[in-house]
Amino acid sequence: DIQMTQSPSSLSASVGDRVTITCRASQSIRNYLNWYQQKPGKAPKLLIYAASSLQSGVPSRFSGSGSGTDFTLTISSLQPEDFATYYCQQSYSPLMYTFGQGTKLEIK
Amino acid sequence: QVQLVQSGAEVKKPGASVKVSCQASGYTFTSYAVHWVRQAPGQRLEWMGWINPDNGNTKNSQNFQGRVTITRDTSASTAYMELSSLRSEDTAVYYCARLPPYHSSGYYFFDYWGQGTLVTVSS
Repeated sequence: DIQMTQSPSSLSASVGDRVTITCRASQSIRNYLNWYQQKPGKAPKLLIYAASSLQSGVPSRFSGSGSGTDFTLTISSLQPEDFATYYCQQSYSPLMYTFGQGTKLEIK
Repeated sequence: QVQLVQSGAEVKKPGASVKVSCQASGYTFTSYAVHWVRQAPGQRLEWMGWINPDNGNTKNSQNFQGRVTITRDTSASTAYMELSSLRSEDTAVYYCARLPPYHSSGYYFFDYWGQGTLVTVSS
């Protein structure tokens, strides 16, 4: 299985901050990398697919980059509604999708 | 609008089975794969398997050692996930999620999710 590792596991930041979350794959996944946002008690929500493509309706302050094994999710200016847990997911191995362990973004 | 509506919470005893439903609306059910993902308390999301609603073909994660059965009823636009031989470690929220056809973007991702179904396994 392809292992996905996120860093940091948790992060404290303030409204207006620029935040970057990293995701590393155990082998090359080209750009088959998705990012999801999950709020407590809710289902995950797709933010970014194909490493850098913004899902329709997602604010442009969210962006993704990377290819191969290293990827980043950046929030350019944190808003109150962005405090949540973020997960990366590889879709390179389509019959064995795997997720990162999550990064919890908290208010400082 | 696209919606995936799941059945309600379940409490089961160890060794029992549970069947969770996922009713789709707002799109052509047979045109999108339905996947199942679970999340144990404090754990990462775990992919379980999927079904092609058009032909009924399925593929499950080997991590579940044959305990997962995914089916569908096209007349009801509903997919089902049954997990057997339940143990305490199966206590989790179970989600269904829609996956657009590969040809629509060249990539795989879950664009809509159900609201989740909590399954508690306890004696």
